[in-house]
Amino acid sequence: NAGVTQTPKFQVLKTGQSMTLQCAQDMNHEYMSWYRQDPGMGLRLIHYSVGAGITDQGEVPNGYNVSRSTTEDFPLRLLSAAPSQTSVYFCASRPLDREEKLFFGSGTQLSVL
Amino acid sequence: AQRVTQPEKLLSVFKGAPVELKCNYSYSGSPELFWYVQYSRQRLQLLLRHISRESIKGFTADLNKGETSFHLKKPFAQEEDSAMYYCALTDQTGANNLFFGTGTRLTVIP
Repeated sequence: NAGVTQTPKFQVLKTGQSMTLQCAQDMNHEYMSWYRQDPGMGLRLIHYSVGAGITDQGEVPNGYNVSRSTTEDFPLRLLSAAPSQTSVYFCASRPLDREEKLFFGSGTQLSVL
Repeated sequence: AQRVTQPEKLLSVFKGAPVELKCNYSYSGSPELFWYVQYSRQRLQLLLRHISRESIKGFTADLNKGETSFHLKKPFAQEEDSAMYYCALTDQTGANNLFFGTGTRLTVIP
């Protein structure tokens, strides 16, 4: 049972480049979310989804897009990377009605130069 | 809007000493509060939640609605407690998203 899998683990981008951070879970969880972790800022919610075909914005959605075409996958897209998006990104999933059962991925460390 | 405040970015205690990690919150409704922990090279994981009122790894946390606090306590710190600790709450609306504080890095000195 892999749980929540994030790829890649590390990525370096140049300003203006685009990329997609992948997140997949094999627990049939309805809820999935993306956070970014920055020193002194904690974890901040970027986007979330309560099921396939449904997405919504979190606290800091600007510069990021998401889609949820399947229950398993919740990719995060950076259309034009900026240095301010240098961060560690975490994907998480849980059953919709069990907020205490939030499982996190191992994170993607992104640097934008 | 909900807010979680952890006033200490860094906290160092000696092994065997008591430890208290502070957490204050602001929320207009009745929040559900959690403590999450991130050990070195491990994933973020749930430590405890206020509803369960249980002790995990010797840690306890009591919700004080009057002081809007949810401080994490342990009577005798161990070296393996060294980690990053996050206080968090759910907004109890719709998706029940989890909102985190800024975190406290606890170092237990041998």
